[in-house]
Amino acid sequence: DAGITQSPRYKITETGRQVTLMCHQTWSHSYMFWYRQDLGHGLRLIYYSAAADITDKGEVPDGYVVSRSKTENFPLTLESATRSQTSVYFCASTRQGLSTEAFFGQGTRLTVV
Amino acid sequence: AQTVTQSQPEMSVQEAETVTLSCTYDTSESDYYLFWYKQPPSRQMILVIRQEAYKQQNATENRFSVNFQKAAKSFSLKISDSQLGDAAMYFCAYRSYYNQGGKLIFGQGTELSVKP
Repeated sequence: DAGITQSPRYKITETGRQVTLMCHQTWSHSYMFWYRQDLGHGLRLIYYSAAADITDKGEVPDGYVVSRSKTENFPLTLESATRSQTSVYFCASTRQGLSTEAFFGQGTRLTVV
Repeated sequence: AQTVTQSQPEMSVQEAETVTLSCTYDTSESDYYLFWYKQPPSRQMILVIRQEAYKQQNATENRFSVNFQKAAKSFSLKISDSQLGDAAMYFCAYRSYYNQGGKLIFGQGTELSVKP
């Protein structure tokens, strides 16, 4: 199916574990983004990517790692999960052209215990 | 750096009435885009309306319209004839016109409830 999909939808992990959230889009959009959503903060940008092998930090990058070896995939890794990383994570993509709409995945609710 | 502020954490409206959600932003740029996104309980982010800063005319999409005041850096969303399905979290967002990766900067969100 065409679109942008995230997996898993829900994840519970323990403090100190490494966890990877997956994001896949079928449109060949140039730009991809990872946001986290927390009550009172809205969505905050973690990392973004302008193309394969090009990534850059957003507002809250500490504790996260990203890679983009293929245009369609943009995984987000928490190297050593902390309770403060409990959040809802959204992946988004947009094609080149700043007036275009950003499309969002369904979100991943991550709980770190 | 640009910032977006939504000062109303919660709003409530009676079905069929009109409600206005507020959004202010801070930027030194003259060209940019503004968006309102809706997030229902399903968590899906849905684009409601978009405004280009260089356009003086306020954007309208069916029952949704904006009041864009560029000098005041204000971008409010008006929902007319509110429906139960309008109940959701609403986010205001800013995107720079210049090449900053197309990233969106979001406000804190306003949770809208609709009373039957």
